[in-house]
Amino acid sequence: GENVEQHPSTLSVQEGDSAVIKCTYSDSASNYFPWYKQELGKRPQLIIDIRSNVGEKKDQRIAVTLNKTAKHFSLHITETQPEDSAVYFCAASISNQFYFGTGTSLTVIP
Amino acid sequence: DTAVSQTPKYLVTQMGNDKSIKCEQNLGHDTMYWYKQDSKKFLKIMFSYNNKELIINETVPNRFSPKSPDKAHLNLHINSLELGDSAVYFCASSQEGRYGYTFGSGTRLTVV
Repeated sequence: GENVEQHPSTLSVQEGDSAVIKCTYSDSASNYFPWYKQELGKRPQLIIDIRSNVGEKKDQRIAVTLNKTAKHFSLHITETQPEDSAVYFCAASISNQFYFGTGTSLTVIP
Repeated sequence: DTAVSQTPKYLVTQMGNDKSIKCEQNLGHDTMYWYKQDSKKFLKIMFSYNNKELIINETVPNRFSPKSPDKAHLNLHINSLELGDSAVYFCASSQEGRYGYTFGSGTRLTVV
C-alpha cells in the first residue's frame, strides 16, 4: 500500500516568517494530494489540494508544490499568524482512499 | 446543518464492554470511512465502505466491525474493548469521482 512520510513532526516559527512542511509518498499511482489542518480538539479540515497533473497551486498565504518524479510535495505558509498554529497533515490518494502523513505540529510564536 | 455527524462525541467505558459509534452524512456521498487517531495524532484508516465494497485495513482487529444500514450511515461496533482502543475516531465521507473528504467532528473513546 501507499506510504506517506511527513517532516518535520514539530515546527516553531516567529509570526510573519514562512513555514514549510514536506511529504514523500511511495506509490506512483497516487494522483491527488490534499493538506488538512487540525486545530486542537477539532476535526481535520481541507485547506488546499493538488492533483497529479499540476506542479503548483496557491491560495492566498498557502501554496503547495508537487514533484511527481521525486514523489514529494510540500506545503508553504507565508506571513504566518498565530491562528495558523495547528497540526497539519498531508495525504496521498489512490482511488479516493487517503493515506495520511504523521502530522506536523506548527506553532507560530507571536 | 452538519455535513458529517458522529455520536457520541465522548465515550468512556470499561474494558471488556461492547460499544457503538454512529456516523451519518447528508452530503449524498457514496463512500464512508472510519479513521483512528491515536495520542500521537496519527490518522490511520480502518475501513472504507460504499455500497459495492468494504475495504478493511488488515491491521484492524476483528473486534471492530462496520455496519452500514444505508449509504448515509456507517456505524462502528467495537467488541471486548481494550485499553489500547482509547483514541479519537473520525468518520469521513467522499463521493467517488470527486476529490476530498469531509470529516465528522470525532468521537473521543476512553477505555478504563
